[in-house]
Amino acid sequence: DQQVKQNSPSLSVQEGRISILNCDYTNSMFDYFLWYKKYPAEGPTFLISISSIKDKNEDGRFTVFLNKSAKHLSLHIVPSQPGDSAVYFCAASAFSGNQFYFGTGTSLTVIP
Amino acid sequence: KAGVTQTPRYLIKTRGQQVTLSCSPISGHRSVSWYQQTPGQGLQFLFEYFSETQRNKGNFPGRFSGRQFSNSRSEMNVSTLELGDSALYLCASSRLTGTSGTDTQYFGPGTRLTVL
Repeated sequence: DQQVKQNSPSLSVQEGRISILNCDYTNSMFDYFLWYKKYPAEGPTFLISISSIKDKNEDGRFTVFLNKSAKHLSLHIVPSQPGDSAVYFCAASAFSGNQFYFGTGTSLTVIP
Repeated sequence: KAGVTQTPRYLIKTRGQQVTLSCSPISGHRSVSWYQQTPGQGLQFLFEYFSETQRNKGNFPGRFSGRQFSNSRSEMNVSTLELGDSALYLCASSRLTGTSGTDTQYFGPGTRLTVL
């Protein structure tokens, strides 16, 4: 039972444009969300988080939006750079416990 | 501050053998979680340890076990290896200070296990 879903396995974007990565979840108890970036043969690198008390969080070029009623979150990267090419994972947890559920990832390719 | 370290980075075993993987968390982090990553499956949660106690457990068979030491270092063990256990095993630590709650997890580079 996949509680966190990333329905787009891959995404290609031109350099300088916006990249939008999407994530859906089914468990209404989830209230803390993370985005990670992963290169091959490396561990995931933490990018940005958001808790359910917010609907938006920004960190430089990265912004995460949370729509609790739709159980949907998205990561916006503006402007996209070739170095952003990687697999992006979203993860969700209920505040009561430190168990994270991960999506299957979206492979982003930024074309120079 | 040093990141999460995992040893060994690569391991080749044969079916039926057992294996032990090691993880050293970020200094001061008391929570350690383990994940299995296989192609197309994303990251599957194995278990989480906090203050030497297993706090959460994923849906894996009993062949997968772990422990945490008083210095927060953790090991996971897989017995009677199967071909399907070939995967990247990732360890993550977080700086939880209490027995409940959640916090950002920081990952190590992983151990690539190949079972022949």
